[in-house]
Amino acid sequence: DSGVTQTPKHLITATGQRVTLRCSPRSGDLSVYWYQQSLDQGLQFLIQYYNGEERAKGNILERFSAQQFPDLHSELNLSSLELGDSALYFCASSVDGREGGYTFGSGTRLTVV
Amino acid sequence: GNSVTQMEGPVTLSEEAFLTINCTYTATGYPSLFWYVQYPGEGLQLLLKATKADDKGSNKGFEATYRKETTSFHLEKGSVQVSDSAVYFCALNRGAQKLVFGQGTRLTINP
Repeated sequence: DSGVTQTPKHLITATGQRVTLRCSPRSGDLSVYWYQQSLDQGLQFLIQYYNGEERAKGNILERFSAQQFPDLHSELNLSSLELGDSALYFCASSVDGREGGYTFGSGTRLTVV
Repeated sequence: GNSVTQMEGPVTLSEEAFLTINCTYTATGYPSLFWYVQYPGEGLQLLLKATKADDKGSNKGFEATYRKETTSFHLEKGSVQVSDSAVYFCALNRGAQKLVFGQGTRLTINP
């Protein structure tokens, strides 16, 4: 157990639907990162939050949004889902994002049918 | 911008063989460098890291040396085991910037 908790582990939904992925960071970590891992594109950075505020944004689609709550857990919302959104979504956390490795959760596997 | 390039996989070796997975990077300044490992069905785990030039990171028999002159951070292991079969990612970050990953190298070790 890495200390980063992601739920659910698996999600199957239909095109056009909306889903929410949840992440609880490791205790003491203030920064949360979301990555998308697909077979053909490796790990793509989506977005980073630090202590409740957005710090960096990557190639995140407008249909996707995220937030970090006062208790530091984070949610990634994916809407108007398309088949191409099927992927593994990882959350990672770090103390402050500086010069250190991240701790990853075990991921949420999203399948859009 | 910052980027990482890894040798393409998949890589298949026999047990007890010597392993090298090449990684080169492009970055301004002095980034920190990392190797992560992803076992089947799991998330990424930090394998080792180095934060300055000539540092050597090591863990579980794996080693990598931060070579600024060649902008490289190659992963090596002297004698691989079947349990080392996984996908290996080289990565870097600098300061508070996000971690940037290479494309990953799938390693399969045959008994």
